[in-house]
Amino acid sequence: GQNIDQPTEMTATEGAIVQINCTYQTSGFNGLFWYQQHAGEAPTFLSYNVLDGLEEKGRFSSFLSRSKGYSYLLLKELQMKDSASYLCAVSRNTPLVFGKGTRLSVIA
Amino acid sequence: GAGVSQTPSNKVTEKGKYVELRCDPISGHTALYWYRQSLGQGPEFLIYFQGTGAADDSGLPNDRFFAVRPEGSVSTLKIQRTERGDSAVYLCASSLIRGDRGRNTEAFFGQGTRLTVV
Repeated sequence: GQNIDQPTEMTATEGAIVQINCTYQTSGFNGLFWYQQHAGEAPTFLSYNVLDGLEEKGRFSSFLSRSKGYSYLLLKELQMKDSASYLCAVSRNTPLVFGKGTRLSVIA
Repeated sequence: GAGVSQTPSNKVTEKGKYVELRCDPISGHTALYWYRQSLGQGPEFLIYFQGTGAADDSGLPNDRFFAVRPEGSVSTLKIQRTERGDSAVYLCASSLIRGDRGRNTEAFFGQGTRLTVV
């Protein structure tokens, strides 16, 4: 089976940096995805890591350590529109398995 | 179409009734996935199609749930004898190809069907 853990809620200030952690346990690994989901909307793709290291895409970066079963999503220069749930998802040779998501609130 | 389309967007049904939820994936996407999402939870995998066949249906909770994709494009999720516990948002996603070991392709999600069983 697979266990994916991420914090339930986080709050951060507009303009700041926030790091959302994700730990996972799986017997096989094909990659780790991060999705963003605004309330009442579909999840949208943010990033994909299959090798160790940092992937940077504008204000968003994602890091992976396969040996530690650990990933994080880093959001810089936070904006109010970044208030959403952030879903960590692990892939083996089966479809994506999602964590419960981290609800991020950005405050002024 | 431009994205994954799901209909209806909302469905209210009485306990014990039968419902069908439709998903129209992005044109050319061979992989199609159904997920279920309850409030405050992440999407829970139900079933995955590669072309017309169900490659993995291990997430279907019981035999009241069934899905088809007869022509390898549109898929229908069918729920018999609905129960109040079936109330959730049912999400459909599609991707280009399932991918070889070590590769995966991004899944695009539809807006979901909010099912309420009363």
